[in-house]
Amino acid sequence: QQQVKQSPQSLIVQKGGISIINCAYENTAFDYFPWYQQFPGKGPALLIAIRPDVSEKKEGRFTISFNKSAKQFSLHIMDSQPGDSATYFCAVFNQGGKLIFGQGTELSVKP
Amino acid sequence: DAGVIQSPRHEVTEMGQEVTLRCKPISGHDYLFWYRQTMMRGLELLIYFNNNVPIDDSGMPEDRFSAKMPNASFSTLKIQPSEPRDSAVYFCASVPGPKIPDTQYFGPGTRLTVL
Repeated sequence: QQQVKQSPQSLIVQKGGISIINCAYENTAFDYFPWYQQFPGKGPALLIAIRPDVSEKKEGRFTISFNKSAKQFSLHIMDSQPGDSATYFCAVFNQGGKLIFGQGTELSVKP
Repeated sequence: DAGVIQSPRHEVTEMGQEVTLRCKPISGHDYLFWYRQTMMRGLELLIYFNNNVPIDDSGMPEDRFSAKMPNASFSTLKIQPSEPRDSAVYFCASVPGPKIPDTQYFGPGTRLTVL
């Protein structure tokens, strides 16, 4: 039972461009929406997270946009850099205490 | 703080052997999660503990898998007997608490290969 759908699976962006990754969820009971970043050979690390009482959260070059009515949220990376090349996972938190992860997006930023 | 520590980092074993993966969470954290990551299934939650007590093990694939947390600073995930389809990267993550959701701090993972 897939509760989080993430797209695209892979993304190539030029340095300085905007990277956009989208997630859609199915259950309106979710109340916490984090994005994790994973570099090869490493564990995922929290990048930024949002709760449904706000529509946008920005931290540096990273912004989450949240559309509660559409049950969608997205990650925008402004001024993308080669160091941002990694796999990004969206996730939703259910009231059972579990994080449910999307399938991941492999981002490659070309110099 | 050294972060979450996992050992071994790599494990290669033969089908039928017992495998034990180890995790040391960040000191003072209340929650510990075990995940499995594969290309096909992504990141899957296997089990999580709160204050050393297993809360939800519904993600444990079958009876061959077991997990323990004998104290606040140590947890194990055991597979007995191991099968080739268990090949994956296994992560543990600790969470400060006392409430969740909260940031999950992942370890570096154990890459398991079952031949």
